[in-house]
Amino acid sequence: ILNVEQSPQSLHVQEGDSTNFTCSFPSSNFYALHWYRWETAKSPEALFVMTLNGDEKKKGRISATLNTKEGYSYLYIKGSQPEDSATYLCALGGPNAGGTSYGKLTFGQGTILTVHP
Amino acid sequence: DGGITQSPKYLFRKEGQNVTLSCEQNLNHDAMYWYRQDPGQGLRLIYYSQIVNDFQKGDIAEGYSVSREKKESFPLTVTSAQKNPTAFYLCASSITPNRGTQYFGPGTRLTVL
Repeated sequence: ILNVEQSPQSLHVQEGDSTNFTCSFPSSNFYALHWYRWETAKSPEALFVMTLNGDEKKKGRISATLNTKEGYSYLYIKGSQPEDSATYLCALGGPNAGGTSYGKLTFGQGTILTVHP
Repeated sequence: DGGITQSPKYLFRKEGQNVTLSCEQNLNHDAMYWYRQDPGQGLRLIYYSQIVNDFQKGDIAEGYSVSREKKESFPLTVTSAQKNPTAFYLCASSITPNRGTQYFGPGTRLTVL
């Protein structure tokens, strides 16, 4: 079983603050790294899928970077808003039963972000 | 609307009873997955299916069973052999097993009394 670690476990910030958190994973046999946002009482929603070392993806005020050689990804939120409050999950894509691509996901425990007005 | 539905939202069962959680998708996705969430832990994979009539064990399959008789349906049975069945269960699907983005249902919270 792969070990995917997220830090911090929880984070409280004020509206307007920028913030970032980390996802660490084994650097060997890398396939893909996923970020999801999970708001309370809703389904987890996909943010990014990252596959290449040095990849940087952006969606509005949220961006993510990937370093596959050292085994980490950062998620950044610029100018946090209360609606950004959610649990942010990262997941390492692994080979499916056929040994190809990245069908199976191994999740970290998540970072709970609370943005105070 | 396209999406994944899980029912019921909350489920209570007595210890020793088998219970089946429903998961339906109308996204025409080939692959479907079942995860379990416990407090302080990440989502853990129970079972997944890449195609109709085929499924594989995930990391914590003991005490669970699944079937995939139809493309749109992937029910999960929590059997009496599962030692700690009380948890939040999430179902997900992806276009194909090789297209990693997974789309999740709203989840079922199972409480065994």
